[in-house]
Amino acid sequence: DGGITQSPKYLFRKEGQNVTLSCEQNLNHDAMYWYRQDPGQGLRLIYYSHIVNDFQKGDIAEGYSVSREKKESFPLTVTSAQKNPTAFYLCASSSVVEHSGGPQYFGPGTRLTVL
Amino acid sequence: GENVEQHPSTLSVQEGDSAVIKCTYSDSASNYFPWYKQELGKRPQLIIDIRSNVGEKKDQRIAVTLNKTAKHFSLHITETQPEDSAVYFCAASPTYNFNKFYFGSGTKLNVKP
Repeated sequence: DGGITQSPKYLFRKEGQNVTLSCEQNLNHDAMYWYRQDPGQGLRLIYYSHIVNDFQKGDIAEGYSVSREKKESFPLTVTSAQKNPTAFYLCASSSVVEHSGGPQYFGPGTRLTVL
Repeated sequence: GENVEQHPSTLSVQEGDSAVIKCTYSDSASNYFPWYKQELGKRPQLIIDIRSNVGEKKDQRIAVTLNKTAKHFSLHITETQPEDSAVYFCAASPTYNFNKFYFGSGTKLNVKP
């Protein structure tokens, strides 16, 4: 997990603003994921991508958007349509072997607060 | 789709005792089961995992068992230490979904010195 980074560590957003969270990995992993974690809660999947230029909605995609233009990068935009975005955002990556699972490795997270 | 349930939600043990956390899953196509430890404010860290062709796996004080017939798997921590205090998450990954994880809701383990 040392090869996956997120920035910034803390982010403050005013109401009505879009903000973008960065996620970069140098592990040569094909798959990348975004999760949201609320205080004292579990991990909820926002978006995931198995390959460049392709991504799928997770369980809570509304109000979020992503892009996957490069294998190493999977930025997440929190739009103004996301009414309650204050949370801890975690990015993860993994090697994808068809029909066989493997570990996801997590970045250090971005803590987003709405002012 | 897959559904993973995790119990208990909180667990308090005395230092040196054993701790057991249990998860059940619903999809027989799941073939990979990782366990993560998350300390307060930190990222989840993989501590052990098991694949469906194995019944048990050990790594020092940590072990995981899998019962495919009953669709449940468990994390066992022996000789617990205060530094084991954290939130533990189980997950299941079906073969058909390119490593999408379905996480349990987490267990907060408190090891009392």
